[in-house]
Amino acid sequence: AQRVTQPEKLLSVFKGAPVELKCNYSYSGSPELFWYVQYSRQRLQLLLRHISRESIKGFTADLNKGETSFHLKKPFAQEEDSAMYYCALSGGGSQGNLIFGKGTKLSVKP
Amino acid sequence: DAGVTQSPTHLIKTRGQQVTLRCSPISGHKSVSWYQQVLGQGPQFIFQYYEKEERGRGNFPDRFSARQFPNYSSELNVNALLLGDSALYLCASSLDSPVSGNTIYFGEGSWLTVV
Repeated sequence: AQRVTQPEKLLSVFKGAPVELKCNYSYSGSPELFWYVQYSRQRLQLLLRHISRESIKGFTADLNKGETSFHLKKPFAQEEDSAMYYCALSGGGSQGNLIFGKGTKLSVKP
Repeated sequence: DAGVTQSPTHLIKTRGQQVTLRCSPISGHKSVSWYQQVLGQGPQFIFQYYEKEERGRGNFPDRFSARQFPNYSSELNVNALLLGDSALYLCASSLDSPVSGNTIYFGEGSWLTVV
């Protein structure tokens, strides 16, 4: 079954500390993986996708097919990074619909 | 440029009633998807439409239906509402055909409360 697991509901760090939000997936093909972010009182928006292999707002994520993981990392957290983060996968093909994890709330303390 | 717009933003319905939620995609976008987000959960896929045809359906009962109009706007209908249908309903649009690789843009959602 296709599934995305985010084991942490809440992650709290201090400003300047490294951040790693975990994401594991279950999919029998070659999925495309995404991280979406929702800041307070804003809409859900794409943060990054594995196929782009880019860094957005200092965040990076590497797809590890062996461990079926797509963890989101940032070396130095900022207070403005506080938000809800969702990992998602797309099974590809003609649908392109997203399967989301339950989300991790990141709280960056001053 | 306006993003994905949804209406109404909030509504309260009684069990057994029917509800219609509306979505206008970003101008030029031809694909619309609907997601349900229950409190504390991630969004769950309901439907996807492209060029007015259903291209995907999630694991939801037949009480849920949708359609896409010639101007690419969309409606989600839910019949015989249950308390468990209380959720945030998200609409998302993308530019082109619904294959992976297209960036999906979300609206702010319609909060439905069933009492």
